[in-house]
Amino acid sequence: SYVVTQPPSVSVAPGQTARITCGGDSIGTRNVHWYQQKPGQAPVVVVYDDSDRPSGIPERFSGSNSGNTATLAISRVEAGDEADYYCQVWDSSSDHWVFGGGAKLTVL
Amino acid sequence: QVRLLQSGPEVKNPGSSVRVSCKASGGSFSSDTLNWVRQAPGHGLEWMGNIIPILGTTKAAQKFQGRVTITADESTTTAYMVLSSLTFEDTAVYYCARARAVVDPFDFWGQGTLVTVSS
Repeated sequence: SYVVTQPPSVSVAPGQTARITCGGDSIGTRNVHWYQQKPGQAPVVVVYDDSDRPSGIPERFSGSNSGNTATLAISRVEAGDEADYYCQVWDSSSDHWVFGGGAKLTVL
Repeated sequence: QVRLLQSGPEVKNPGSSVRVSCKASGGSFSSDTLNWVRQAPGHGLEWMGNIIPILGTTKAAQKFQGRVTITADESTTTAYMVLSSLTFEDTAVYYCARARAVVDPFDFWGQGTLVTVSS
C-alpha cells in the first residue's frame, strides 16, 4: 500500500514561513490534500488538489507538489497557526485514502 | 452549508460492537461520499472506509475489512458505522466526513464521537 511520510514537528518564528513536507513515491503524480487540526477540533481542509485553497482559507496557505515531495507552506506565520497538519493522498491501486502521520507546527 | 451531527460518546467492553451515526443536513446526501476517519488519543488520522449512498457501494480500509460495516439510510440522510470485535486499541474519536466525490477532499466533518473500550 502507498505510504506518505511527514516530519513529526516543524518549528518557526512568528512572521516567518513554515514549510511542511509530505513524502511519497512519485507523489507529484497524485493529488494531495492538506488538513489543519487544532486540539479538540475536527480537521479542516486548508489546501486541496496540491495547491487550491477553499474559500475562507487565508492566502498565506499555499501548496506545491513535485517529484517525491508535496509541500504545504504557511507564510507570515501567526500564533493561531499552531496545529497539527496532515497530508492526504488517494491510493488508486487500492481505492483507499492514506493520511500522513501528521506534523505538529509550533510557533516559537 | 453541510452539517454532520454524530451520535454521543460510547463506552464498550472488549469484544463487543459499537455503532456510530452521522446525520447529514444541507447537502446532497445521496450523491455525496461519506467517509469514516478515526483518531486514537495522541495519534494521527486513520481512514476507515466510505459509502456512496445513492449507489450503496462501500469501501473499507484493509485494516478494518471484516470488522467494519458502513451503511446509509437515504430516507433519514444518516450514515452509520459499526465496528465489531472491539479491543482497547479501538479507543478513539471517530469522525464522519463528507466529500463531493470519492477522490475529493473531506470538506465537512462531524464533531467526532469518542468511543472508549474498557473492561
